[in-house]
Amino acid sequence: GQNIDQPTEMTATEGAIVQINCTYQTSGFNGLFWYQQHAGEAPTFLSYNVLDGLEEKGRFSSFLSRSKGYSYLLLKELQMKDSASYLCAVSDSNYQLIWGAGTKLIIKP
Amino acid sequence: GAVVSQHPSRVICKSGTSVKIECRSLDFQATTMFWYRQFPKQSLMLMATSNEGSKATYEQGVEKDKFLINHASLTLSTLTVTSAHPEDSSFYICSGTGGRDEQFFGPGTRLTVL
Repeated sequence: GQNIDQPTEMTATEGAIVQINCTYQTSGFNGLFWYQQHAGEAPTFLSYNVLDGLEEKGRFSSFLSRSKGYSYLLLKELQMKDSASYLCAVSDSNYQLIWGAGTKLIIKP
Repeated sequence: GAVVSQHPSRVICKSGTSVKIECRSLDFQATTMFWYRQFPKQSLMLMATSNEGSKATYEQGVEKDKFLINHASLTLSTLTVTSAHPEDSSFYICSGTGGRDEQFFGPGTRLTVL
């Protein structure tokens, strides 16, 4: 079966760094997405990885290892507004999105 | 986590025809369902929010007569794209919530209008 795993909840301190992991087992792979979703709002696109390696975009970076079925989202210099759910989704061989359950990130002062 | 399915996963149709997309919550009761459009590598654009048994609430700029939404039961919502045109080609994603903050997303339906 197809499966995406990510931690349910994480807590971090303002100004610190946090890494949210995502492991996946899917039939085929056409890229991995990270989305940020604040409560009551639509998910916001953060990153898309289809090749191995690290992609950096400001305070956010996303890493992919296709051989390990593993990705992480790295958030630096955490701000209170980063408190949100972070969703990992994989596009499979049919370009269907397989969604993780999301990681709720709580930022404390 | 809870499971949301969509049918069909992919559809190709001629311009001017109507297409119906089903969204089902398989193991929970979705009191609220959301319909999104997604363009490549972009954020999901919320089209409408539907509560079971009541009319959908559409976002600004989304034509309610073109995108008909029916949420007849706690496990099924349908989106009908009427008189589809090539510019309606997109990836349509639904999600459901049982009343808590958590949303569960479907795998998406890729619509191509020729």
